[in-house]
Amino acid sequence: AQKITQTQPGMFVQEKEAVTLDCTYDTSDPSYGLFWYKQPSSGEMIFLIYQGSYDQQNATEGRYSLNFQKARKSANLVISASQLGDSAMYFCAMREGMNYGQNFVFGPGTRLSVLP
Amino acid sequence: EAQVTQNPRYLITVTGKKLTVTCSQNMNHEYMSWYRQDPGLGLRQIYYSMNVEVTDKGDVPEGYKVSRKEKRNFPLILESPSPNQTSLYFCASRKTSGRDPDTQYFGPGTRLTVL
Repeated sequence: AQKITQTQPGMFVQEKEAVTLDCTYDTSDPSYGLFWYKQPSSGEMIFLIYQGSYDQQNATEGRYSLNFQKARKSANLVISASQLGDSAMYFCAMREGMNYGQNFVFGPGTRLSVLP
Repeated sequence: EAQVTQNPRYLITVTGKKLTVTCSQNMNHEYMSWYRQDPGLGLRQIYYSMNVEVTDKGDVPEGYKVSRKEKRNFPLILESPSPNQTSLYFCASRKTSGRDPDTQYFGPGTRLTVL
């Protein structure tokens, strides 16, 4: 079974509008971390935002926020005021357990295209 | 500048010819990891290392070897590459304690083609 599901292979958004990229995860471990990464066409992986399973508040980093709904096991990324430079692949990832040796698992990604 | 470097960035080789992709980080991170990225599958972890001389298998270790003789270096070895190992490879590192230990820093990627 997929541990990270991203149901939107591709998304379009108008410049300056907000967009939500979906991510659901599957784990039975009470301790885990959730991440979002951006991969532009140049190929590098850029860390965007992190949410720990015990964090009380949703994570925010500038224009990025993570809508963490623990009971639903979802960790959607919200990008506010989209910019043309936001066009990229976006990956949701999870690290299970407190042991930092645990695997990181990535979802298949969502390709976001920002329209002018 | 804090970074993870990989070499080579691009490699075309033939089936069976041993190759090594190097990875080096200058952040004194304990944890290092290798991933491969294939279309529609995201990134899958190949091997990881918690520290010097400590390595463990990820989700897709078959056909790969790693070593961690020094803290900064974590080479990926393909003893006998096959076409199904054609992929984009990423090395990553992170610290395992202190503030923001979970944040992984990725190298620029190595695009490998095995003919």
